[in-house]
Amino acid sequence: EAGVAQSPRYKIIEKRQSVAFWCNPISGHATLYWYQQILGQGPKLLIQFQNNGVVDDSQLPKDRFSAERLKGVDSTLKIQPAKLEDSAVYLCASSLEASPTSAQYFGPGTRLTVL
Amino acid sequence: DAKTTQPPSMDCAEGRAANLPCNHSTISGNEYVYWYRQIHSQGPQYIIHGLKNNETNEMASLIITEDRKSSTLILPHATLRDTAVYYCIVRVAGNQFYFGTGTSLTVIP
Repeated sequence: EAGVAQSPRYKIIEKRQSVAFWCNPISGHATLYWYQQILGQGPKLLIQFQNNGVVDDSQLPKDRFSAERLKGVDSTLKIQPAKLEDSAVYLCASSLEASPTSAQYFGPGTRLTVL
Repeated sequence: DAKTTQPPSMDCAEGRAANLPCNHSTISGNEYVYWYRQIHSQGPQYIIHGLKNNETNEMASLIITEDRKSSTLILPHATLRDTAVYYCIVRVAGNQFYFGTGTSLTVIP
């Protein structure tokens, strides 16, 4: 079974530029998550999708971050404009369903460096 | 609010059992305990989860105390490839994971 795919793996941009990350979840997984992991910290949830609808985006900085999952499969996360403090690894995860017993499976992440 | 407390670091000799503790004294009755690990530069890897019974799979065993206020992840025969940061997570209502800073386990040859 193929895992969660993410691209690109690395991205370097200058502040005030925009950037987008792509995620393809495990086939059949209805729930998709985006996390931000700053160096030395655990991942922090940014947004959770159930199929193509947003379940929780309470921690997403909506003035600069946006995410979509239009067809309920792939998802993109965008930052516009980027700030220095956005330098982090952006992780995508998916689970079969939004249930306490359904494990989340993570992709390798995209490491973003904002100069 | 991570809801869990873990020691920041631990060492374990290769071939020995690694016992990683976690306190979750405010856990609610319907909240699951999950364990993940993260090897450098990779995404977190699912290990195991449980509610109140002890659980075992091919990777590890999870021992949850009767009052559910703490748990221990056991790697029965640690190898160098088990060196990673281990996260103990209480899965709260709404399906969210709150990752703390985890325990950095170093397996020593």
